[in-house]
Amino acid sequence: QVQLQESGPGLVKPSETLSLNCAVSGYSISSGYYWGWIRQPPGKGLEWIGSFYHSGNTYYNPSLKSRVTISVDTSKNQFSLKLTSVTAADTAVYYCARQVRTGSYGPYFFDYWGHGTLVTVSS
Amino acid sequence: DIQMTQSPSSLSASVGDRVTITCRASQSISNYLNWYQQKPGKAPKLLIFAASSLQSGVPSRFSGSGSGTDFTLTISSLQPEDFATYYCQQSYSTLLTFGGGTKVEIK
Repeated sequence: QVQLQESGPGLVKPSETLSLNCAVSGYSISSGYYWGWIRQPPGKGLEWIGSFYHSGNTYYNPSLKSRVTISVDTSKNQFSLKLTSVTAADTAVYYCARQVRTGSYGPYFFDYWGHGTLVTVSS
Repeated sequence: DIQMTQSPSSLSASVGDRVTITCRASQSISNYLNWYQQKPGKAPKLLIFAASSLQSGVPSRFSGSGSGTDFTLTISSLQPEDFATYYCQQSYSTLLTFGGGTKVEIK
């Protein structure tokens, strides 16, 4: 069974960098698939942040691209999110998820999700 | 960006009711449309992928249809555990986007 678990500080000061890790078990990241980050501000909808492929291809939401970095540590089977220069608008529950598709050209979808971690931006 | 618009934003229904939720894309997305269910304090759960394919383990009372710009999620007979918020998501564009959500509440 594939499981994902987010971890990181629950409180970040404005203008600082938000850093989160996503530990994956039950599947090796280096075996394939995309892996992504999605966030959800309190009481609001879902926003895709970015995704990476195990071989290194990474793509980001243009609205966040200048501040986001997603990286992977295959030795620990985990990947991470860094979001710089945070403001209160970045307060959200952050989820990591596996992004898969059926066949070579089918739609991508998120089939396994972490439980999510709330990050509050406040001084 | 491809905008995803869900309607209604909320609805009240009774156990046993047939419920239909609509998702409209701002441009044609073929069948690159997925549906998720989210309960309070929980991560979203995949229900339907590729517009009409039922994810393994999801009850058959859930079904999806549509292609192009207009899609529907139908719950044939609403059960107590189905009260939740439902989101559509497109993956036609590399900029993945979600609809605003439809909250299904108890009447």
